[in-house]
Amino acid sequence: GAGVSQSPRYKVAKRGQDVALRCDPISGHVSLFWYQQALGQGPEFLTYFQNEAQLDKSGLPSDRFFAERPEGSVSTLKIQRTQQEDSAVYLCASSLVYRPLSEKLFFGSGTQLSVL
Amino acid sequence: SQKIEQNSEALNIQEGKTATLTCNYTNYSPAYLQWYRQDPGRGPVFLLLIRENEKEKRKERLKVTFDTTLKQSLFHITASQPADSATYLCALGNAGNNRKLIWGLGTSLAVNP
Repeated sequence: GAGVSQSPRYKVAKRGQDVALRCDPISGHVSLFWYQQALGQGPEFLTYFQNEAQLDKSGLPSDRFFAERPEGSVSTLKIQRTQQEDSAVYLCASSLVYRPLSEKLFFGSGTQLSVL
Repeated sequence: SQKIEQNSEALNIQEGKTATLTCNYTNYSPAYLQWYRQDPGRGPVFLLLIRENEKEKRKERLKVTFDTTLKQSLFHITASQPADSATYLCALGNAGNNRKLIWGLGTSLAVNP
């Protein structure tokens, strides 16, 4: 596709509800990242995939957060039993190469999650 | 702990002037540094990447410097335009398998006509 696509654009959830956020990376991009961005803050790393392999999930805040990328393209970030502190913008980014010194990330517009 | 500091206050400049944004870091030895632009309601957009062995990088009206002794990067926008108004983020990374970029809070730039 033309860019990284995320859906839904906005999500309002009641506390305790499960949510699933989708990311369609640019076709052919090997690397996929999820970030969390609170208002007025920079993005915070959550997890990283190289193709279908989740190589780093050290940024996931708790075991309520789960991410997958089963076929090495589309990825889903799932949050179980949402809490108010989960309210943030969730950004997905992809990159073509697996060479950090040359890598630039392409971001989607994010999903703004509000937990009431 | 690792820390990145960007201009803490919003920057307001007149159209045509040069905007200079700073990114300082502590307790970290990055192999590269990236600058991104972020508009409200949008994801960050990549602008420039500079490696630790590079002093300066240019792209059109943009210039980035990287001083590993001072632990500082400067980001310059020359001949600024109102369309340059946005939040600018710096992000640091290393060369290993750790793919976690560490991000600053961003600096809000407003270019007034």
